[in-house]
Amino acid sequence: EVQLVESGGGLVQPGGSLRLSCAASGFTFSSYEMNWVRQAPGKGLEWVSYISSSGSTIYYADSVKGRFTISRDNAKNSLYLQMNSLRAEDTAVYYCARNIRLGELSLGDLPYYFDYWGQGTLVTVSS
Amino acid sequence: DIVMTQSPDSLAVSLGERATINCKSSQSVLYSSNNKNYLAWYQQKPGQPPKLLIYWASTRESGVPDRFSGSGSGTDFTLTISSLQAEDVAVYYCQQYYSTPPSTFGQGTRLEIK
Repeated sequence: EVQLVESGGGLVQPGGSLRLSCAASGFTFSSYEMNWVRQAPGKGLEWVSYISSSGSTIYYADSVKGRFTISRDNAKNSLYLQMNSLRAEDTAVYYCARNIRLGELSLGDLPYYFDYWGQGTLVTVSS
Repeated sequence: DIVMTQSPDSLAVSLGERATINCKSSQSVLYSSNNKNYLAWYQQKPGQPPKLLIYWASTRESGVPDRFSGSGSGTDFTLTISSLQAEDVAVYYCQQYYSTPPSTFGQGTRLEIK
C-alpha cells in the first residue's frame, strides 16, 4: 500500500525557517517524481514544487522561488521541503504528492497529475 | 500560466440527481500529437487530502465509482456525477498538466446535498 506521511509543520514567526519531510513507503520511491502542493486555510490547491526521480530536475512556483528548496534522499525514501524567509501567506497545509508516470505520453520531466497524496502537515506563519 | 476556471463555485443537488461541474482552461490542454487532454479531476472531502478521480479528462482512476464521469476537450470540460450519493459531498478541483510548470488547479466547486 502506497503511503506518504508528512511531518515537520508547526508555528513559525515571519522570516523564520522550517523543514518539512515526507516519508514514503509501499512503492519504489527512487523511480517516482514527487511534488509539494499546499492549501491555505479554506482555500484551493496550489502546486509548490517538483523534483525528478534522480533529483536532477527541480521546479518551483513563482510564489516560493528563491525561498524554498526541494530535495530528496532515495536511500531514506524521503522527500523534503526547506522553507526559508517564511511569510504569513505561506500559511497552509502542505501535501506531498506522487507524480504519475506517463511513459510514452510524457512531455518530459515535469509535474503532471498526482495519484497519491499524504495527509498533509500544517504550517502556520504568525507572530 | 494556464488559468483554470470552474463553475459554479458551489452547487446543491438532491440525492439521486445529477450533478455537473464545469472547468474551463485559458488555453487548450489538448496535445495534438497524441490527442490527449491533459486534464484531471480531484475530490476533496473535509479534513482529507485530495483524491484523484479522473485523468486524461475522461479516464476514471481505479476504484472510482462509475457514477463519476469526465468529458470535454480543448478548453471546456465537465465532471458529472450521474446519481448523487451522500458520500459525494466534497470540493471538486480540476487541474491541467499540459503546460507545466506550473501545474494549475481550478478554484474548486463545493458540492452539497439539497
